[in-house]
Amino acid sequence: LAKTTQPISMDSYEGQEVNITCSHNNIATNDYITWYQQFPSQGPRFIIQGYKTKVTNEVASLFIPADRKSSTLSLPRVSLSDTAVYYCLVGDSTLGRLYFGRGTQLTVWP
Amino acid sequence: GAVVSQHPSWVICKSGTSVKIECRSLDFQATTMFWYRQFPKQSLMLMATSNEGSKATYEQGVEKDKFLINHASLTLSTLTVTSAHPEDSSFYICSARNPTSKETQYFGPGTRLLVL
Repeated sequence: LAKTTQPISMDSYEGQEVNITCSHNNIATNDYITWYQQFPSQGPRFIIQGYKTKVTNEVASLFIPADRKSSTLSLPRVSLSDTAVYYCLVGDSTLGRLYFGRGTQLTVWP
Repeated sequence: GAVVSQHPSWVICKSGTSVKIECRSLDFQATTMFWYRQFPKQSLMLMATSNEGSKATYEQGVEKDKFLINHASLTLSTLTVTSAHPEDSSFYICSARNPTSKETQYFGPGTRLLVL
């Protein structure tokens, strides 16, 4: 199972772009990369998922290099409400199990 | 995105009693659901995989006789914490795997359990 590594914490100011990088050196061929956001006392919320290159949706972009050993979640123009823990996960494609790492605590300041 | 609900959202019980938590996928059918536990300021820990119509698969170190899982339909999985003790107090979160979106799991809002 691929293990992920991401920074424990990051700080940003409102209106800035935030990039959170995650390394997953042992990612398997069939594994997807998924990012979740979690607020205190809530379940994780799906943000974005990708396999390779770039994926963009209405809230974020996900950049995945060709070797897929890392990925970067990009949040454009963050606001105070984006303060949360962000988890990068690499899926077990055969069984669907997800193992959460420590995540990145993003704090957005006014 | 897909919607997953949990009931109850919080529960307080006496030590020694059993507590059942329900997890429902509201707008899709899920053959596979997962149960996690999260202690304060820690990450989610996968407890077990719930498979519709078959026995659950437990992660190493999780007691299957203490955490009973039933997945009787494609939209409902239940977790029963038997003979609960204060150390079982935690935030329990379920997720459901959407078969139309290969790897995507959608999480419920969580259930806060406090055992006195």
